[in-house]
Amino acid sequence: QQQVKQSPQSLIVQKGGISIINCAYENTAFDYFPWYQQFPGKGPALLIAIRPDVSEKKEGRFTISFNKSAKQFSLHIMDSQPGDSATYFCAANRSGATNKLIFGTGTLLAVQP
Amino acid sequence: NAGVTQTPKFRVLKTGQSMTLLCAQDMNHEYMYWYRQDPGMGLRLIHYSVGEGTTAKGEVPDGYNVSRLKKQNFLLGLESAAPSQTSVYFCASSLGLAGGSETQYFGPGTRLLVL
Repeated sequence: QQQVKQSPQSLIVQKGGISIINCAYENTAFDYFPWYQQFPGKGPALLIAIRPDVSEKKEGRFTISFNKSAKQFSLHIMDSQPGDSATYFCAANRSGATNKLIFGTGTLLAVQP
Repeated sequence: NAGVTQTPKFRVLKTGQSMTLLCAQDMNHEYMYWYRQDPGMGLRLIHYSVGEGTTAKGEVPDGYNVSRLKKQNFLLGLESAAPSQTSVYFCASSLGLAGGSETQYFGPGTRLLVL
């Protein structure tokens, strides 16, 4: 049962452009939404995370937008760079659930120079 | 500080063979996890542990067993490997504080091919 749906499956963006990846969740008990970044041959690493008490969180060129009523959240990468080329996973969890993250299926981002 | 390490990096098995994947962390984390990553499926939780001597089933536990005899180590066993277990396996760990919003630190992965 896929509780977090992620799109698109792959994305090609020109250098300097904006990359947007979307996720939707079903369980209204979820209250923690991280994004993980994975480079080829490496394990995923936390990029940025948000809790539903705010609608947006920004860290450098990376922004999470959160829409609680629509049960959707998205990752925006501003001024995308070739070094951002990686696979991005959204995830969700609820407090007290022993930190068991439910991951989306991933988005392969390629930023062309 | 090595973080989370996994051995081996790559392994080829024949159907029916057994093997153990080792995960070690040096961050004194309470929680540890085993995931498998398959194309188009994302990361799926196999088993996890909330402390030394404890284990629990995740989303896809069938065909796997785990043990956490020492806090720093989490072993994943395949008793009789099947081609469907061909995957990349990731171990992760987290502090284990209450709240459910902790960063998980992942190892580099083990690529397993079952023929």
